Amino acid sequence: NAGVTQTPKFQVLKTGQSMTLQCAQDMNHEYMSWYRQDPGMGLRLIHYSVGAGITDQGEVPNGYNVSRSTTEDFPLRLLSAAPSQTSVYFCASSLLWTGSGNTIYFGEGSWLTVV
Amino acid sequence: GIQVEQSPPDLILQEGANSTLRCNFSDSVNNLQWFHQNPWGQLINLFYIPSGTKQNGRLSATTVATERYSLLYISSSQTTDSGVYFCAVILQGGSEKLVFGKGMKLTVNP
Repeated sequence: NAGVTQTPKFQVLKTGQSMTLQCAQDMNHEYMSWYRQDPGMGLRLIHYSVGAGITDQGEVPNGYNVSRSTTEDFPLRLLSAAPSQTSVYFCASSLLWTGSGNTIYFGEGSWLTVV
Repeated sequence: GIQVEQSPPDLILQEGANSTLRCNFSDSVNNLQWFHQNPWGQLINLFYIPSGTKQNGRLSATTVATERYSLLYISSSQTTDSGVYFCAVILQGGSEKLVFGKGMKLTVNP
C-alpha cells in the first residue's frame, strides 16, 4: 500500500515557467488537499477537494490551479512560477472530510525553488 | 480568521523527561488535530481531539473546547520524539479548511 505519493521530490523552476506537482493516493480517500510550508509559518492550505469533480480554495490559492478528475489523483498546477512560490508542498488525503476525525495521511513533500 | 497559537516555540529535553505542549485557539472549533513532523520532513497525524482526552502510548492529548486550548503530553521522551509538533483546527460552522499553528520544535537529546 503506497499511501500518498508526490512527485517530483525536488524541482527548480525559472520565474514564469509552469509546472504540475503530482499527487496520487491508493486508499480510496474522498478528501485530498495541498499545503505549502514556509519557514516559521506552519502549513497553509492551498486547495482542497471533497471528491472527484469537486474542488475549492484554501487559505492561499492565488497562483495555483487544481482539478480532480479521479478519486486517486489531485495535481497542483503552478501557472507562472514566482519566487514567492518557493516552498515545500505537501499533499494530504483522508477517507472523508477533515472534520470527520479520519486520519490524515501526508505525502513526503515536494521541495520547489523558483529562481 | 481564527488564530492558533502554540507554546513554547522551542523546547530542548533530555531523554526520559516529560513535556507539555500547548495550543490556544481564538474561536470555537469543531475539529482539532495534532501532528508531528520528524526532522526529515515526514508528517504524521497524532490525534483527532476536538474535546476530551485521548492516549496513544507515551503520548496523550486533552482539549478543553470551552476554554479554547489543547495540550499534548509526551512522557518519557525519546530521541525519536524530536521534530516539530503542530496543532490544527477547523472553525466551528466553517468549511473544510484546516488552519495550522506555526509549530513547536522539540529536541530530545540522548
